[in-house]
Amino acid sequence: AQSVAQPEDQVNVAEGNPLTVKCTYSVSGNPYLFWYVQYPNRGLQFLLKYITGDNLVKGSYGFEAEFNKSQTSFHLKKPSALVSDSALYFCAALKAAGNKLTFGGGTRVLVKP
Amino acid sequence: DAGVIQSPRHEVTEMGQEVTLRCKPISGHNSLFWYRQTMMRGLELLIYFNNNVPIDDSGMPEDRFSAKMPNASFSTLKIQPSEPRDSAVYFCASSADFSGQGAETQYFGPGTRLLVL
Repeated sequence: AQSVAQPEDQVNVAEGNPLTVKCTYSVSGNPYLFWYVQYPNRGLQFLLKYITGDNLVKGSYGFEAEFNKSQTSFHLKKPSALVSDSALYFCAALKAAGNKLTFGGGTRVLVKP
Repeated sequence: DAGVIQSPRHEVTEMGQEVTLRCKPISGHNSLFWYRQTMMRGLELLIYFNNNVPIDDSGMPEDRFSAKMPNASFSTLKIQPSEPRDSAVYFCASSADFSGQGAETQYFGPGTRLLVL
């Protein structure tokens, strides 16, 4: 069975500092990996995904994520966090040629001015 | 594009009542997903359709839950009878997964917040 772990329930960072949200996965074969963000009372918004190719994936709003196969990780990063980045972030994984997206438990990011 | 549309946005009902949640996927998308989000269990996939056909309903909690997709532009999730433990936010998502590989991005609706008293 596939699983996704987000080890931190919450990440606090000062505005302007780098932001990292951690994600590890357990998926057999080659995984497809996704990051979504959820703002209060809103649906999930797609940020970026890794399917194949370059391990560094760039996405929306200045976010990027690095796929590390040996560490089975897909950490989300942003060089300089904004207060408006405060939200709930979800990592998700899908087995290649599968159809069921498995989500991590989410990490709440709080960016303080 | 209007994105995925869900209605109602909020629903308050009493235990035992029937609840119907509605979803209109993004035009041209052929896969539709229903998720449930709770504090305790996080995001759970309930069921998904491909080309209007239910592919996997293993996440549907029990027989009280049913989902239909009569055409490419409409789906319903019904709970009958509803119970307080069904209180959650229900999301619908759609994707254009014509290859069947699952790599296409799922786009989520705003959700329906359900409260069963």
